[in-house]
Amino acid sequence: DAMVIQNPRYQVTQFGKPVTLSCSQTLNHNVMYWYQQKSSQAPKLLFHYYDKDFNNEADTPDNFQSRRPNTSFCFLDIRSPGLGDAAMYLCATSRDRAFEQFFGPGTRLTVL
Amino acid sequence: TQLLEQSPQFLSIQEGENLTVYCNSSSVFSSLQWYRQEPGEGPVLLVTVVTGGEVKKLKRLTFQFGDARKDSSLHITAAQTGDTGLYLCAGSNAGGTSYGKLTFGQGTILTVHP
Repeated sequence: DAMVIQNPRYQVTQFGKPVTLSCSQTLNHNVMYWYQQKSSQAPKLLFHYYDKDFNNEADTPDNFQSRRPNTSFCFLDIRSPGLGDAAMYLCATSRDRAFEQFFGPGTRLTVL
Repeated sequence: TQLLEQSPQFLSIQEGENLTVYCNSSSVFSSLQWYRQEPGEGPVLLVTVVTGGEVKKLKRLTFQFGDARKDSSLHITAAQTGDTGLYLCAGSNAGGTSYGKLTFGQGTILTVHP
């Protein structure tokens, strides 16, 4: 089945220790998104890639970076995680902009 | 800035009851999606509505898109415990500053008791 895969599902890191979350998709979609979601709130968009074109949200902290080495993979790098960065991180894809988005299962990040 | 007001925020009902969740905006959306999210999982797409006045049914779930494409509702008939979860509406636009982004409602946490 075509799908969006996120690894790992659970990630524990220490305060200030860099961490990388990964997302892959078999849907061959052009657009990939990263969201941050905190306890039963709506997801908050961090940035998205339209093909190789990176689009950052204005209020996304510089601490968050992303890479998309090819169509299938996208990474979220948190350079110096703080306690406030503990959250669920969701990857989503869509065929093109303004099309429906399909979410992965998420990575739950804990910062100690 | 586009906003989607989703209500109610919390809903606690008994199995077998009916319920409706609403999403309202002063802005027009090209399409609107409804998602259900279970604890520890990502949102799962339930439906996309694109035409004003459109009604879609998914088993016991009925989705409606307002005529002016500014509002939507989700009605669940005879709720089951398996319907428990966070329901999110999300609107998208085919142009403008929000192009390619979803505007989410605040979410409705539904708990269905046996």
